[in-house]
Amino acid sequence: QQPVQSPQAVILREGEDAVINCSSSKALYSVHWYRQKHGEAPVFLMILLKGGEQKGHDKISASFNEKKQQSSLYLTASQLSYSGTYFCGTESINNNDMRFGAGTRLTVKP
Amino acid sequence: DAGVIQSPRHEVTEMGQEVTLRCKPISGHDYLFWYRQTMMRGLELLIYFNNNVPIDDSGMPEDRFSAKMPNASFSTLKIQPSEPRDSAVYFCASSPRTGGYGYTFGSGTRLTVV
Repeated sequence: QQPVQSPQAVILREGEDAVINCSSSKALYSVHWYRQKHGEAPVFLMILLKGGEQKGHDKISASFNEKKQQSSLYLTASQLSYSGTYFCGTESINNNDMRFGAGTRLTVKP
Repeated sequence: DAGVIQSPRHEVTEMGQEVTLRCKPISGHDYLFWYRQTMMRGLELLIYFNNNVPIDDSGMPEDRFSAKMPNASFSTLKIQPSEPRDSAVYFCASSPRTGGYGYTFGSGTRLTVV
């Protein structure tokens, strides 16, 4: 029931790009993306609702392929502040609750 | 708005003791969720409420866990008796509704059972 995220971890240099993937075995209504820094709570980044929808948040954007039940988070020109663990959360068509993936640990180095 | 408020921030207790975690959601948010986070299992949904009514408690690990929401501004998660394997960070989150709104998480309660 939990979505599957990949990769588990990414190490970048400042200015490099990264892609984090999220896939589900269930038909999805929405996909959420959150970032959690060490010792803090997850913070909401964005939500995608429709098939093929894309959204942007500064230099962080995401896409949602409803048919494939997949979403990807794109981080471009990464900054040190992007470091943290990124979680996707999925709401399926038949449920009102959200299940989280295992997370992707992103480390951005100078 | 002060956001989702959880208390206490840290709790250390001895095995067998009762533990009560508290949460105040954002005013106007109809949904409240309790999650548990551990290294091994990640973020697990324990239970969620809609308009103070428990909707799905299938994630509650055992009968030792119980949750209540007596009114729109307060919820508790109780563990009785506590065990070392209950050690985790417990998050409360709230949302205006599901299907289109992000969740706002509280700062969490780090529970250590010794």
